[in-house]
Amino acid sequence: QKEVEQDPGPLSVPEGAIVSLNCTYSNSAFQYFMWYRQYSRKGPELLMYTYSSGNKEDGRFTAQVDKSSKYISLFIRDSQPSDSATYLCALRPAYSGAGSYQLTFGKGTKLSVIP
Amino acid sequence: DAGVTQSPTHLIKTRGQQVTLRCSPISGHKSVSWYQQVLGQGPQFIFQYYEKEERGRGNFPDRFSARQFPNYSSELNVNALLLGDSALYLCASSWGQGATDTQYFGPGTRLTVL
Repeated sequence: QKEVEQDPGPLSVPEGAIVSLNCTYSNSAFQYFMWYRQYSRKGPELLMYTYSSGNKEDGRFTAQVDKSSKYISLFIRDSQPSDSATYLCALRPAYSGAGSYQLTFGKGTKLSVIP
Repeated sequence: DAGVTQSPTHLIKTRGQQVTLRCSPISGHKSVSWYQQVLGQGPQFIFQYYEKEERGRGNFPDRFSARQFPNYSSELNVNALLLGDSALYLCASSWGQGATDTQYFGPGTRLTVL
């Protein structure tokens, strides 16, 4: 079983739809959770960063973490064509030392928002 | 402020050759990490350097090496290139190496091995 599972899609939605993107993880050492957006042929750009269970909102984006289920989500409200990109979840453990410095990424979900 | 910069943008090499990729972190950032992103996959961690010392290494062969310079810029070297090394190589910088230090990614270097 991979440490982080993410449905690669592709996911196609009409403009204005609510989008739900998800990742599951198996290692309970992961305590920091990020969502990155990556446009084609570009580097990942940080969207959301959270470290506690519950919801965190930033504009049209809401990150949700359920540590008991090892499940994280990103919701996009009122989706726009400019949201078309690949969305990557990234996780990091809380402990210090070897193995703690890197981000472990999901495979990424490719999203297309159709006008 | 300029973001993370990487050079070159694209590179084409043949099997067996060696390649050096370069990264300049955001001003003030002391940590640099390298990731490999194969098409259709998420980035995979290769190395992390902090204050010019290697602090983390991913599951990559010894053909991969890196270093960080006194000005915190970094180089990634790959020897004896294989077809499977074709990927987008990403550099990320952060102020420190703590779990709450956000990693900011550069645009990447796209390496094609023929």
